[in-house]
Amino acid sequence: KQEVTQIPAALSVPEGENLVLNCSFTDSAIYNLQWFRQDPGKGLTSLLLIQSSQREQTSGRLNASLDKSSGRSTLYIAASQPGDSATYLCAVKETSGSRLTFGEGTQLTVNP
Amino acid sequence: GAGVSQTPSNKVTEKGKYVELRCDPISGHTALYWYRQSLGQGPEFLIYFQGTGAADDSGLPNDRFFAVRPEGSVSTLKIQRTERGDSAVYLCASSSYRGSYEQYFGPGTRLTVT
Repeated sequence: KQEVTQIPAALSVPEGENLVLNCSFTDSAIYNLQWFRQDPGKGLTSLLLIQSSQREQTSGRLNASLDKSSGRSTLYIAASQPGDSATYLCAVKETSGSRLTFGEGTQLTVNP
Repeated sequence: GAGVSQTPSNKVTEKGKYVELRCDPISGHTALYWYRQSLGQGPEFLIYFQGTGAADDSGLPNDRFFAVRPEGSVSTLKIQRTERGDSAVYLCASSSYRGSYEQYFGPGTRLTVT
C-alpha cells in the first residue's frame, strides 16, 4: 500500500526566505506526482504536476523536483511572501489505478 | 462552468439522517473522484468514476456510503444513517482521461453530523 509522508508538518519562516518542503513515498511505481496548496476552509489548488519521466517542473517562484527511484520529491519556494502561507500537500498517482494518495501536508506560515 | 463546483458548501445534519452531496465536474472531464478530508489530515480516496460507471469504489468506508453519476457528468455522494464520525470535508475532483490525468478539485462540502 502506497504511503506518502511530508516533512516538516509545520514551518514558520520570515518573509523573503527560500524554503524547501519534502515529500516521500514508499512505492516508486508512480505515474505522476502533484503538489497542491490548500488555504484554510478551502479546496485544493494544483500548483505543479510532475510526470514520472520528468525530473522537475517550475512555475514562477515554485520549483518541484522528483527522484522516483528514491521515492522523494521536494517543493522549493523562492523569496517567500506572506501570501504563500497555506498548507501544502503532495499526492502521488500510481501506475495502476487512478486515485491520488496524499500526504498529511506541511502547514507553512510566512511572517511579514 | 470553469471549475469543479460542489453543493452545498456546508451541511449540518443530525445523527441517523440521510444526506446527499453534489459535484459538478469541469465540462468534458470523463473522470470524477470523491475524497474525504478530516481535520489536519490529507484527503483520502473514496470512489472514482469513468463515465457513468464506478471504476473503483474500494475507498468507500462501508455500505452506508454510495455514489452515482447517471449521465456521466454530475455526481451525487449519498450517505445513509449518518454518524458523527462521518463529519469531514468531502472533496470532488475531475480530470480528463488522457494526457497528464491532472486532477482539479472543487471547494468541498463541509459535513457536520451532530
